[in-house]
Amino acid sequence: DARVTQTPRDKVTEMGQEVTMRCQPILGHNTVFWYRQTMMQGLELLAYFRNRAPLDDSGMPKDRFSAEMPDATLATLKIQPSEPRDSAVYFCASGPSEQGTQYFGPGTRLLVL
Amino acid sequence: GESVGLHLPTLSVQEGDNSIINCAYSNSASDYFIWYKQESGKGPQFIIDIRSNMDKRQGQRVTVLLNKTVKHLSLQIAATQPGDSAVYFCAEKSPMFSGGYNKLIFGAGTRLAVHP
Repeated sequence: DARVTQTPRDKVTEMGQEVTMRCQPILGHNTVFWYRQTMMQGLELLAYFRNRAPLDDSGMPKDRFSAEMPDATLATLKIQPSEPRDSAVYFCASGPSEQGTQYFGPGTRLLVL
Repeated sequence: GESVGLHLPTLSVQEGDNSIINCAYSNSASDYFIWYKQESGKGPQFIIDIRSNMDKRQGQRVTVLLNKTVKHLSLQIAATQPGDSAVYFCAEKSPMFSGGYNKLIFGAGTRLAVHP
């Protein structure tokens, strides 16, 4: 049963600390997405990769957020420095092609104090 | 537009009844639609999809109906069970969104509460 995995599942940190979230997309999927979900804003797209290349990161605060895919089995989302307003659940999703289907991971619940 | 969630509409149903969750989508050029189910503490889970060249698609206990004339999508759940309690999101794929790729636009979500 192939699925997207994310680590850590929960993260509590203090303001100013660096946070790194990791995602393993489903093997063979060539599109990867990072989303943020909050009660106020719902699901927001942060970044999109196709074949490991970043194609759209317009949803990310550029000064503190960065997203990379070091290889086809790993996507990372980094926040440095973190702020309380970054507290949210961060989801990674992957899909097999441009057809549109995205399969979500379980999320990383981030709390910045 | 983009999803906004503070106060989700809630649909309350009795166990065993049929549920119908509705969604209005925004772009008449959207050609692919997905329904997701999100349980508390979990990620959105793919339920069923439909392409714009179809009006209806059935899965196990679920049916998606697409009315392109009024840009309306619905999810019907037969014999609703307590395990169906969750937030349901519709998503549309609009071709060549900003950035030159197909982007999923999510609805705000509807909370389904199933009562015994």
